Amino acid sequence: EPEVTQTPSHQVTQMGQEVILRCVPISNHLYFYWYRQILGQKVEFLVSFYNNEISEKSEIFDDQFSVERPDGSNFTLKIRSTKLEDSAMYFCASGTEKLFFGSGTQLSVL
Amino acid sequence: DAKTTQPPSMDCAEGRAANLPCNHSTISGNEYVYWYRQIHSQGPQYIIHGLKNNETNEMASLIITEDRKSSTLILPHATLRDTAVYYCIVFPFAGGTSYGKLTFGQGTILTVHP
Repeated sequence: EPEVTQTPSHQVTQMGQEVILRCVPISNHLYFYWYRQILGQKVEFLVSFYNNEISEKSEIFDDQFSVERPDGSNFTLKIRSTKLEDSAMYFCASGTEKLFFGSGTQLSVL
Repeated sequence: DAKTTQPPSMDCAEGRAANLPCNHSTISGNEYVYWYRQIHSQGPQYIIHGLKNNETNEMASLIITEDRKSSTLILPHATLRDTAVYYCIVFPFAGGTSYGKLTFGQGTILTVHP
């Protein structure tokens, strides 16, 4: 069964460093998302992406965040200058009628 | 997005049916009812969705009341592996240029015990 693949599964970085989280959505899906979940909290929407552009973003998704779909298969989330509060599990999702989520990248900012 | 109300927690004995309720009294005519679950810290997993008819798949059944103001997810024979947080979400699948987003609440923590 096709699945959304995320790499790396764990990422440790120093505060102020740039990180790129990678996702390979399910082929033929049209809609792409990033969500995050801080430990013990709800799953929060970050951004949605359709037709090669952002269709919606949350207040969390500020100028430090960006998304790209550079080659038609990968979908990346970049955090330019990480902060301690960016530590969370980040989930990528893709879908058409229903969304499928990846297993996540655990980001730890020290 | 319309809001949903779910009990914070429920228990179920292994092998018995788990019936998880959800209220969505402000649901709009174009909004579907979706159910997802999250096992430990894994990514949310799609279970089932429906508009107004009852639905069944290999994982669960979804019963939607005639007025669409509430629904029940049924896991017919719960196992220990069904212990998870279950989310009921109403979502306007447009299928066009504005797909919308799933908004997760706190969900129901279902604990299946031996």
